[in-house]
Amino acid sequence: QQQVKQSPQSLIVQKGGISIINCAYENTAFDYFPWYQQFPGKGPALLIAIRPDVSEKKEGRFTISFNKSAKQFSLHIMDSQPGDSATYFCAASHDQTGANNLFFGTGTRLTVIP
Amino acid sequence: NAGVMQNPRHLVRRRGQEARLRCSPMKGHSHVYWYRQLPEEGLKFMVYLQKENIIDESGMPKERFSAEFPKEGPSILRIQQVVRGDSAAYFCASSPRRLAGGNEQFFGPGTRLTVL
Repeated sequence: QQQVKQSPQSLIVQKGGISIINCAYENTAFDYFPWYQQFPGKGPALLIAIRPDVSEKKEGRFTISFNKSAKQFSLHIMDSQPGDSATYFCAASHDQTGANNLFFGTGTRLTVIP
Repeated sequence: NAGVMQNPRHLVRRRGQEARLRCSPMKGHSHVYWYRQLPEEGLKFMVYLQKENIIDESGMPKERFSAEFPKEGPSILRIQQVVRGDSAAYFCASSPRRLAGGNEQFFGPGTRLTVL
């Protein structure tokens, strides 16, 4: 079963607009929530990550909002640019028996229109 | 500092052949993860290895798939008797010694396997 659910599947935003991607999880043992950016033909690259002891983390134009009680987290891209057009994946992991494998969402294909 | 290296980048095999995918982690990283990405889908965990040890293989298919990370040399994901359903992008990620509460994983460019 899908441990991390991501929406929307695709998103079109005008240049300068705000892109918002949402994720939800069920496993309360998750304690690390990264977002990855993937361009066609490339591997995922870590954008920003958050742990459940904070509700928000901002790095440049990228912000993660985290709602522990709702088991949801989201990525906000401010002032979206055409160069941000890529597929974005949320993920989660937990520290259990020494394993830290990531559980990925199904991805959101973002297109930023000039 | 070179990133995670994977080779080959593209691999074409006929049904029934063997596929060997290689991954060299970042310098100083002793943890390697393999993930599989089917078209239009997210990445699915396959196996987690440290040098000479398989830590978690809960995502590996029970048959035909194996992985190793020897003391010297790259990590290898091996798929025997490939079938068309094995066609996917296979990504390797590495991380430094594990810290409590999660760890940052750095991904390689992937190997795109096509089974004819």
